[in-house]
Amino acid sequence: DADVTQTPRNRITKTGKRIMLECSQTKGHDRMYWYRQDPGLGLRLIYYSFDVKDINKGEISDGYSVSRQAQAKFSLSLESAIPNQTALYFCATSDRQGLEQYFGPGTRLTVT
Amino acid sequence: AQSVTQLGSHVSVSEGALVLLRCNYSSSVPPYLFWYVQYPNQGLQLLLKYTTGATLVKGINGFEAEFKKSETSFHLTKPSAHMSDAAEYFCAVSDGWGSQGNLIFGKGTKLSVKP
Repeated sequence: DADVTQTPRNRITKTGKRIMLECSQTKGHDRMYWYRQDPGLGLRLIYYSFDVKDINKGEISDGYSVSRQAQAKFSLSLESAIPNQTALYFCATSDRQGLEQYFGPGTRLTVT
Repeated sequence: AQSVTQLGSHVSVSEGALVLLRCNYSSSVPPYLFWYVQYPNQGLQLLLKYTTGATLVKGINGFEAEFKKSETSFHLTKPSAHMSDAAEYFCAVSDGWGSQGNLIFGKGTKLSVKP
């Protein structure tokens, strides 16, 4: 079984809808991250969490919110989706040293 | 502020040829540097990392990278390309001191390998 799972893997939604992307990990890591990937722009950090009670904004947090329900679960929400949030979203985890991040398979989100 | 520049968004090599993917960084603290690989329809996977110590770092699948402080570079090489190396490669730098920082990624270099 994969160490970092993301659901759904693909999602098409309409402008204005609320959507939640979920991430679960079995690595026992404290740190979790949400990134978005756009062609030609690499990965940009949306939010990160160093433990259940420590959540921080990343480079591009506007329009997004997160919830760390447990050590193993970290969800990303788009309160009112817009077309320029169409992207590939990745969840990642790392241990407290943070020297290696383990990525999920990604969620491809399309907002029409 | 830390940043990463990857030279060349696309690199094409023939099978068996040398692979060279370029990465330059900017960092206000001693950098921790990483190369990740993304195969089609997959997440990113760590290839190798430099933290401290030996400046020539060996990774998985025959890749290696050399940290050159004077040139602020961390180029990725492989002596002989294989078809299975076709993927997108990302260089990253930690934006804080060691493990306290988050990763800043370059924009990626897509490697194509011709038969």
